[in-house]
Amino acid sequence: AQKVTQAQTEISVVEKEDVTLDCVYETRDTTYYLFWYKQPPSGELVFLIRRNSFDEQNEISGRYSWNFQKSTSSFNFTITASQVVDSAVYFCALSEANTGTASKLTFGTGTRLQVTL
Amino acid sequence: DAGVIQSPRHEVTEMGQEVTLRCKPISGHNSLFWYRQTMMRGLELLIYFNNNVPIDDSGMPEDRFSAKMPNASFSTLKIQPSEPRDSAVYFCASSLERTEAFFGQGTRLTVV
Repeated sequence: AQKVTQAQTEISVVEKEDVTLDCVYETRDTTYYLFWYKQPPSGELVFLIRRNSFDEQNEISGRYSWNFQKSTSSFNFTITASQVVDSAVYFCALSEANTGTASKLTFGTGTRLQVTL
Repeated sequence: DAGVIQSPRHEVTEMGQEVTLRCKPISGHNSLFWYRQTMMRGLELLIYFNNNVPIDDSGMPEDRFSAKMPNASFSTLKIQPSEPRDSAVYFCASSLERTEAFFGQGTRLTVV
């Protein structure tokens, strides 16, 4: 069975601070996909990133960066110089490749990020 | 593309009534998913279709729930009869095989 753990329920930071959201996963598959989604107060789910299990390269996209470490089964997300608009709930998710689709997702419980002025 | 379109955005219904949620996936996507979000259970997959065929409905909570995908551009999730514990946000998502899913804005269902 697969499982995603986001131990941080809620994080509060002041604007311009850096913040890291933790994600730890469990899977028996050797091939899988990892995702981060953002859910702003308006409620929609916004795709941020997908990583394949065979690609451990870290990725940076503007103020966002992701650190994937298979050795610790972690896929952490860092926001640099946070802004108020980053306030949202962030979900980490896992999908096993043997399901034939990358989007049969098991979600973590989410981390609520509050960025204040 | 307009993205995944769900209707209605909000639905309030009385216990025992039939509820139908609708979804139009992104054109060209061949997989469609129905997820439910509640405070107690978080985000969970109910059912997914590939090329209009239901592949995995193991997440459908009980027989009161049914989903159909009569063609590549339309899917429905029906609850009959509805119960207060069905109150949740229901998301539809679509994807190409082995790529990320894009979600609709969700339907907030309240059963009173």
